[in-house]
Amino acid sequence: QEQLVESGGGLVKPGGSLRLSCAASGFRFSDFFMSWIRQAPGKGPEWVSYISIGSTSIYYADSVKGRFTISRDNAKNSLYLQMSSLRAEDTAVYYCARSMGFADFWGQGTRVTVSS
Amino acid sequence: EIVLTQSPGTLSVSPGKRATLSCRASQSVGASLAWYQQKPGQAPRLLFYGESTRATGIPARFSGSGSGTEFTLTISSLQSEDFALYYCQQYDSWPWTFGQGTKVEIK
Repeated sequence: QEQLVESGGGLVKPGGSLRLSCAASGFRFSDFFMSWIRQAPGKGPEWVSYISIGSTSIYYADSVKGRFTISRDNAKNSLYLQMSSLRAEDTAVYYCARSMGFADFWGQGTRVTVSS
Repeated sequence: EIVLTQSPGTLSVSPGKRATLSCRASQSVGASLAWYQQKPGQAPRLLFYGESTRATGIPARFSGSGSGTEFTLTISSLQSEDFALYYCQQYDSWPWTFGQGTKVEIK
């Protein structure tokens, strides 16, 4: 059974850092592009970042460029998002998603709250 | 950045009736548009991608159409489990963007 399980969310102060992880199982992780997508309370989803199979192509939303870093470890079937210089507007549920432009499979999300 | 505008914001429909949701793009996205359904407390679920390719497990009462800048999601006969939020998303050019959503509620 396909699964994506995010972890690492929590409460952090403005300017702080957090590392999100996503563990994949039930499918061949190394065959798929992956993404992080977030959803602020009461808002629509926002595509944060995307990484190709071999990590050769990486894209970021302008809102996080220079502050967030996406990475993956195909040997560990894992996706990561290193977030730094966090702001209140980064508060959201962060989803890991298998993606080929569209996201055909999503994790359950991990909540990140940036507040003093 | 391509802006997607969904209409209406809220659609009130009786069970068993037809629902038609629209998504308009600020510039052509070709056939690179997807539709998602989201229920409270859950992640979005893919319904359609491409011109009208139904995702795995999506019932036939859902249909998608359109290309370029105008797209439509139709639910032919609303069931209780269909009352939810629906989002369109373009993946023609980065940044991939979502519409603001249409809420389908029980009339």
